[in-house]
Amino acid sequence: DGGITQSPKYLFRKEGQNVTLSCEQNLNHDAMYWYRQDPGQGLRLIYYSQIVNDFQKGDIAEGYSVSREKKESFPLTVTSAQKNPTAFYLCASSIGARGGMNTEAFFGQGTRLTVV
Amino acid sequence: QQPVQSPQAVILREGEDAVINCSSSKALYSVHWYRQKHGEAPVFLMILLKGGEQKGHEKISASFNEKKQQSSLYLTASQLSYSGTYFCGTGRRETSGSRLTFGEGTQLTVNP
Repeated sequence: DGGITQSPKYLFRKEGQNVTLSCEQNLNHDAMYWYRQDPGQGLRLIYYSQIVNDFQKGDIAEGYSVSREKKESFPLTVTSAQKNPTAFYLCASSIGARGGMNTEAFFGQGTRLTVV
Repeated sequence: QQPVQSPQAVILREGEDAVINCSSSKALYSVHWYRQKHGEAPVFLMILLKGGEQKGHEKISASFNEKKQQSSLYLTASQLSYSGTYFCGTGRRETSGSRLTFGEGTQLTVNP
């Protein structure tokens, strides 16, 4: 079945450690997105990518990094520079790219990161 | 950058109607609507494009005013399953590519 997979579902890390969240899709989508969700603040865009080896900062990119070495994969690294990393992280993909945002986005089930 | 949604929350009795609004300060290419249940991934409801094209579920209706950069989602004869948080997402073309930005959400509760 085609879809978008995030792993792990729950992740615990000590403060000061970098952590990488996985996002894989087999939908052959060009565009991929990372969002952060905090209570009452909706979905905030961290990074997005329209094609392989290219990605753009979203609205809250500080303290995060990404890579897009393969079309199906878009991992997110939460670095120690992120001051408040505990949140629910959602990855999404869409057909994208040249046509603009004219197709629906598919979301993964999310990763809940807790930093202690 | 985020679109603005209103109201922030609404409580209905089963069978009542509701309207959720979304507005943006920037020119839009598309407006997306999603519903999220607690702890789950957002689920696609509808997309509205410039020029009037719509894609989505038959039981959901929405409008998109391109000039005012506003959209409204209409929920009629609400059911208990309609409960959740509704997000509007706005699609814009930028020199760096196309991005999808979401609002803060509207929490909808439908009671028996």
